[in-house]
Amino acid sequence: QKEVEQDPGPLSVPEGAIVSLNCTYSNSAFQYFMWYRQYSRKGPELLMYTYSSGNKEDGRFTAQVDKSSKYISLFIRDSQPSDSATYLCAMKPGTASKLTFGTGTRLQVTL
Amino acid sequence: SAVISQKPSRDICQRGTSLTIQCQVDSQVTMMFWYRQQPGQSLTLIATANQGSEATYESGFVIDKFPISRPNLTFSTLTVSNMSPEDSSIYLCSVRDESGYTFGSGTRLTVV
Repeated sequence: QKEVEQDPGPLSVPEGAIVSLNCTYSNSAFQYFMWYRQYSRKGPELLMYTYSSGNKEDGRFTAQVDKSSKYISLFIRDSQPSDSATYLCAMKPGTASKLTFGTGTRLQVTL
Repeated sequence: SAVISQKPSRDICQRGTSLTIQCQVDSQVTMMFWYRQQPGQSLTLIATANQGSEATYESGFVIDKFPISRPNLTFSTLTVSNMSPEDSSIYLCSVRDESGYTFGSGTRLTVV
């Protein structure tokens, strides 16, 4: 079993839809959680960075962490074609510097 | 966040040869990382490169195959040695900065 599980998609939604992207993990030591967006032929770009449980909002993006269920989510409101990309979750324990990534979910927002 | 310049952006190499990838950062950073990204797989950490000390390699990666240099706080190189088609992948450098972890745009390597 992988430490971090993420549905690879692809996920196709119409413009304006609310998108929900999710990851589950098995290591209870993970405390820091990140979401990256990666466009084709580009490096990953940090979208959200959260610590422990709870919600964090930034514009159209909301990150949720449920440590009791070992489940994290990224919500995208009013999705745009420019949101079409691969979304990667990443996480790490408190003291370590090594990130563990999910495989990424490919999102396509259609007009 | 830091700005990372990674070169080359892509290359096609013959098997048995070596390729050195460069990573230049616009600010001084303590920790630099090298990752491999293969299709359909997670980003996999190859090694952590700290200035003034030998790189720390993850399980499955060895120095003879992936030698790393870190001569100062803004620069690092990763060499992929004695390449085979299985080394075809995207290689990414990353730094830990005030924003978290920032990535370069990657080097797309094809070994023929």
